Amino acid sequence: EDQVTQSPEALRLQEGESSSLNCSYTVSGLRGLFWYRQDPGKGPEFLFTLYSAGEEKEKERLKATLTKKESFLHITAPKPEDSATYLCGNAGGTSYGKLTFGQGTILTVHP
Amino acid sequence: DTAVSQTPKYLVTQMGNDKSIKCEQNLGHDTMYWYKQDSKKFLKIMFSYNNKELIINETVPNRFSPKSPDKAHLNLHINSLELGDSAVYFCASSQDTLGTSGNNEQFFGPGTRLTVL
Repeated sequence: EDQVTQSPEALRLQEGESSSLNCSYTVSGLRGLFWYRQDPGKGPEFLFTLYSAGEEKEKERLKATLTKKESFLHITAPKPEDSATYLCGNAGGTSYGKLTFGQGTILTVHP
Repeated sequence: DTAVSQTPKYLVTQMGNDKSIKCEQNLGHDTMYWYKQDSKKFLKIMFSYNNKELIINETVPNRFSPKSPDKAHLNLHINSLELGDSAVYFCASSQDTLGTSGNNEQFFGPGTRLTVL
């Protein structure tokens, strides 16, 4: 069964303090590892999709990387507006149309 | 322009009632989804539809019945509401069915917060 585990559950950073969020996954036949950002009271917003080990994608202060068992979301010099819940999910196995999410990491960046 | 819209945004109702949540997307996407997010923020797939055809039904009680009148709409009807149904329900859409191509970024609606008393 597909499983996605995110750590830490919550992360508090000072503005400018770089860090990483972890997403561990198990799936047979990965068809995409997805990162989303969710602000309070809103729907998730797409950030990245990664398909194969070694792949990296960047967007502003965020960089997502992928290995065969984990994905990392690196945040460089974060700002208070980066505060949000970051969700990781995978698509794979025999079920098309299904995205299995982790429980999310709540990121708080203090000025 | 709102890409994925849901109505209502808030829904408060008594146990045992029947209610519906409507979802519309104006992106021209072929696939639509319903997710449930519980109080711990865990987001779980309920249903996926591709071109009005059900492709995913994730062991959801049959009190939940999705209906897709056309590709742009996916409504969720819930019968005999229970306390445990209280959650935020998100509708989403993508151009292609998740996992079939690289064109599967999901766009989420703003959510409907359902409270069952």
